[in-house]
Amino acid sequence: QQQVRQSPQSLTVWEGETAILNCSYEDSTFDYFPWYHQFPGESPALLIAIRPVSNKKEDGRFTIFFNKREKKFSLHIADSQPGDSATYFCAASANTNTGKLTFGDGTVLTVKP
Amino acid sequence: EAGVTQSPRYAVLQEGQAVSFWCDPISGHDTLYWYQQPRDQGPQLLVYFRDEAVIDNSQLPSDRFSAVRPKGTNSTLKIQSAKQGDTATYLCASSLTFNQDTQYFGPGTRLLVL
Repeated sequence: QQQVRQSPQSLTVWEGETAILNCSYEDSTFDYFPWYHQFPGESPALLIAIRPVSNKKEDGRFTIFFNKREKKFSLHIADSQPGDSATYFCAASANTNTGKLTFGDGTVLTVKP
Repeated sequence: EAGVTQSPRYAVLQEGQAVSFWCDPISGHDTLYWYQQPRDQGPQLLVYFRDEAVIDNSQLPSDRFSAVRPKGTNSTLKIQSAKQGDTATYLCASSLTFNQDTQYFGPGTRLLVL
């Protein structure tokens, strides 16, 4: 049973549009939800993260929206740029499993100029 | 500050051969993670250490895989008898402390088992 699921598998948007990437999880003990991005040939790097004390976290053009009741969270990338083209992974961990991240399988984002 | 370093960057093996991967975490980071990332999938945790102690190795195929971090700094992941299904990128990551959320990933080792 996959504990963290992402959708869509791939997403194409035009430059300037908002890209929306979705994630859902099973384990109600998860309390930390990061998004990582990975450019071709590179390793994953932390982009933004949220703890469910809040239902929204913003960092520049990147915003996480969190819905604890539905066990869903999403990443919104406003004013998408071609340089945002990458694979985006959501992940989750529980305080009782400190440091143990469970990743989704990724969304490949392509931003067309 | 130097990032997480790994070597080798690439490895090509025949089935049955052994291989070792080496990781040097960010200086001062006490927690080290090894992930396996198959093509077109997310990283999957194999094992992680706090200092020299294994915290969780439940996802490590113990019959062929082993990992050590003897002095609580560098770490080695070894595959004793590689199988084609082991083809993946092996990522090492580190975090400042056991309770620190942010994990910093190294460049990975791409393994191809023929």
